[in-house]
Amino acid sequence: SQQGEEDPQALSIQEGENATMNCSYKTSINNLQWYRQNSGRGLVHLILIRSNEREKHSGRLRVTLDTSKKSSSLLITASRAADTASYFCATMDTGRRALTFGSGTRLQVQP
Amino acid sequence: GAVVSQHPSRVICKSGTSVKIECRSLDFQATTMFWYRQFPKKSLMLMATSNEGSKATYEQGVEKDKFLINHASLTLSTLTVTSAHPEDSSFYICSARENSGNTIYFGEGSWLTVV
Repeated sequence: SQQGEEDPQALSIQEGENATMNCSYKTSINNLQWYRQNSGRGLVHLILIRSNEREKHSGRLRVTLDTSKKSSSLLITASRAADTASYFCATMDTGRRALTFGSGTRLQVQP
Repeated sequence: GAVVSQHPSRVICKSGTSVKIECRSLDFQATTMFWYRQFPKKSLMLMATSNEGSKATYEQGVEKDKFLINHASLTLSTLTVTSAHPEDSSFYICSARENSGNTIYFGEGSWLTVV
């Protein structure tokens, strides 16, 4: 079953702007991960944030996690056309060993 | 870095035939692998958890007789779509959990088209 929802479902911005995507989930988690997927391709792991962490940075990526609200956000700063892709959050539940994916956000960065 | 290889990347088969997709961990051992299905512009839906040397665990609503999973070694899991129908056309992605570190790595996916 689908773990959670992401919003927006689709986002179109201009190069140089920041893009923010949000993810909500339903159960207790060990960690939350963000992935990127180019159209018709496999997944690229972006960043993992553990349940006891609140914020994490990696290059132009900033991830936050609020376990009390069961939500996370992914911020991509200074976006580039090459950032155009679908972005998914995925949670590792405390009771399961598989990743459960959110509904995804399709990001379009206009050059 | 760790790599998961999926083969074939694309396959077209006729209705009623069976098709096998392989998922290999190339430089690590994986007791547990996972199979996902993804429809166009949709998210990944977990189909089943593949366990080396034992039966796969299927998610609710996934037909185990339709989607046969075999995990005969620590580096290979296979998904066989039996008696394929056009509605089985989809993108199938596997992932493998590294035994030593628990990290999960994804394959590049396999496009299945049933005509």
